[in-house]
Amino acid sequence: GAVVSQHPSRVICKSGTSVKIECRSLDFQATTMFWYRQFPKQSLMLMATSNEGSKATYEQGVEKDKFLINHASLTLSTLTVTSAHPEDSSFYICSARDFRVYNEQFFGPGTRLTVL
Amino acid sequence: AQTVTQSQPEMSVQEAETVTLSCTYDTSESNYYLFWYKQPPSRQMILVIRQEAYKQQNATENRFSVNFQKAAKSFSLKISDSQLGDTAMYFCAFSASGSRLTFGEGTQLTVNP
Repeated sequence: GAVVSQHPSRVICKSGTSVKIECRSLDFQATTMFWYRQFPKQSLMLMATSNEGSKATYEQGVEKDKFLINHASLTLSTLTVTSAHPEDSSFYICSARDFRVYNEQFFGPGTRLTVL
Repeated sequence: AQTVTQSQPEMSVQEAETVTLSCTYDTSESNYYLFWYKQPPSRQMILVIRQEAYKQQNATENRFSVNFQKAAKSFSLKISDSQLGDTAMYFCAFSASGSRLTFGEGTQLTVNP
């Protein structure tokens, strides 16, 4: 089956620093990738949709200057949390859509971000 | 805009018994897909089952089956012969053809030995 990886799985950083999270589709080409944020015991909240080679589309209320998304290739998307603050601490999940299975998303294992 | 509602925040079932998780949705789309995802304590999202709206037959995957009532906009998940490994958060999700996933609030299912 289609596999999506995320790196790192956990990251702890100091307030004010930037953190980059990578999302890779390992055995398929992903024309579209999605980034979600999940707080404890809550549902997944879509942050942005990224298409390879174009700018990401952000959901209402998500600061595009704070959460920078780059989808430079068909197998890699990155989320950079700039000038992170404690309120950015959360679980971030990416998913990728295989162009061959248009209506299904494959999820990465998630990244737990803790900002001190 | 589409909405997905799961009205059961928590449920529990005894091992080997059957449990049904409820989900309702609202949409004006005619072509769409419905999903049930499982999120165990590892937090990895796992697809349990999917249903295409144009198909009348309810989807089945081993011990998992759905009751899809299109007119009522209802999409429940039945888990038969529950196992301890079924303990997880279950999310119902909606997607119009080729678009984003909209998730429900989730139901925490606990399978008791």
